[in-house]
Amino acid sequence: EAQVTQNPRYLITVTGKKLTVTCSQNMNHEYMSWYRQDPGLGLRQIYYSMNVEVTDKGDVPEGYKVSRKEKRNFPLILESPSPNQTSLYFCASSFPGHSPLHFGNGTRLTVT
Amino acid sequence: QKEVEQNSGPLSVPEGAIASLNCTYSDRGSQSFFWYRQYSGKSPELIMFIYSNGDKEDGRFTAQLNKASQYVSLLIRDSQPSDSATYLCAVRDNDYKLSFGAGTTVTVRA
Repeated sequence: EAQVTQNPRYLITVTGKKLTVTCSQNMNHEYMSWYRQDPGLGLRQIYYSMNVEVTDKGDVPEGYKVSRKEKRNFPLILESPSPNQTSLYFCASSFPGHSPLHFGNGTRLTVT
Repeated sequence: QKEVEQNSGPLSVPEGAIASLNCTYSDRGSQSFFWYRQYSGKSPELIMFIYSNGDKEDGRFTAQLNKASQYVSLLIRDSQPSDSATYLCAVRDNDYKLSFGAGTTVTVRA
């Protein structure tokens, strides 16, 4: 089944404790992206990647890191999480150009 | 920052009626337009995409695009309770960056 898989689905952590949210897709998509979704603010792009070893900042990159060592994987790293990073996170992927995005099931992160 | 604006809602329609959702965008160079449906706590799922001016129909859904006026709309005909969700408009620019509106929540009342 073609899908974007994120893990974990739920994560509760404390301020400053490094964490990684994994994202993997099996559709051979070149383009991958991370979004966060907060009430009233919609989906905001954190980072995106056009291909292996090519990443770029989105609209809200502060406090996040990403890497793209393999085509299928695009992990999101929070080196020192803070409470304002409490949010619902989505990974998404697509073919390049104007193809639609396919979303993972989301990761609900709470930082206390 | 490129903006995508949607009517704020919530939009309440009776079962069987037409729900009309509007979206305007600021970047005149935008090339592709998408409508996603999102149930509470779930991930967005693609309903429609449209690239050319005019109408595009898929079952009970019709997307309408007017690039000159910089708006795209979604019509849901014969609305069903299962259509109750938040609808997200997304616009892709020439650099392939995808920007989302804040969404319009639709409630279909039986």
